[in-house]
Amino acid sequence: DIQMTQSPSTLSASVGDRVTITCRASQSITNRLAWYQQKPGKAPKLLIYKASSLESGVPSRFSGSGSGTEFTLTISSLQPDDFATYYCQQYNSFPLIFGGGTKLEIK
Amino acid sequence: EVQLVESGGGLVQPGGSLKLSCVASGLTFRRYAMSWVRQAPGKGLEWVSVISVDGDITDHLDSVKGRFTISRDDSKNTLFLQMNSLRAEDTAIYYCAKGGTEVPDTRRFDNWGQGTLVTVSS
Repeated sequence: DIQMTQSPSTLSASVGDRVTITCRASQSITNRLAWYQQKPGKAPKLLIYKASSLESGVPSRFSGSGSGTEFTLTISSLQPDDFATYYCQQYNSFPLIFGGGTKLEIK
Repeated sequence: EVQLVESGGGLVQPGGSLKLSCVASGLTFRRYAMSWVRQAPGKGLEWVSVISVDGDITDHLDSVKGRFTISRDDSKNTLFLQMNSLRAEDTAIYYCAKGGTEVPDTRRFDNWGQGTLVTVSS
């Protein structure tokens, strides 16, 4: 099975900061990577798919990059609504695997 | 607007069974692959099962193979998860999640339900 390692597990930042979350796959997944945002008590929301394609309706301050085994999610200027937990997910092969999550907290 | 509404969760004893349902609206349900994804209390996301368009292909997480069965009724826009021989470690919120129409987009999820809680405990 492919393993997905996300870092950091917790990130403290301020409104207006630029933040980057990293996801590493244990083997190449080409560009078959998605990013989700989850707020407490809510279902996850798709942000990015195909490593760098922005889902419709998602603000342009979110961006994704990478291919192969290393990927990043960047938020260019944090807004209050962005404090949440973020997950990556590989969809190159089964079983589909999510990263362990990154909790983005207010500094 | 796409809506996915799960039901069927609850408290069940170890070894028991439950059948989850997910009713979809706002989309042509039969065109999309569907999955179940779960989240144990305070933990991360874990994919459980997938079913293809037409329902002819399914796959499950190894730890649920032989115990869980995913199915769909396109005439009722409904996705199911039959869960047998339940264990304490199956305790989680179970989300219904919509995939795309073609591989590999069938394996990433652009709409999710609100989830239904399954608690396995004596």
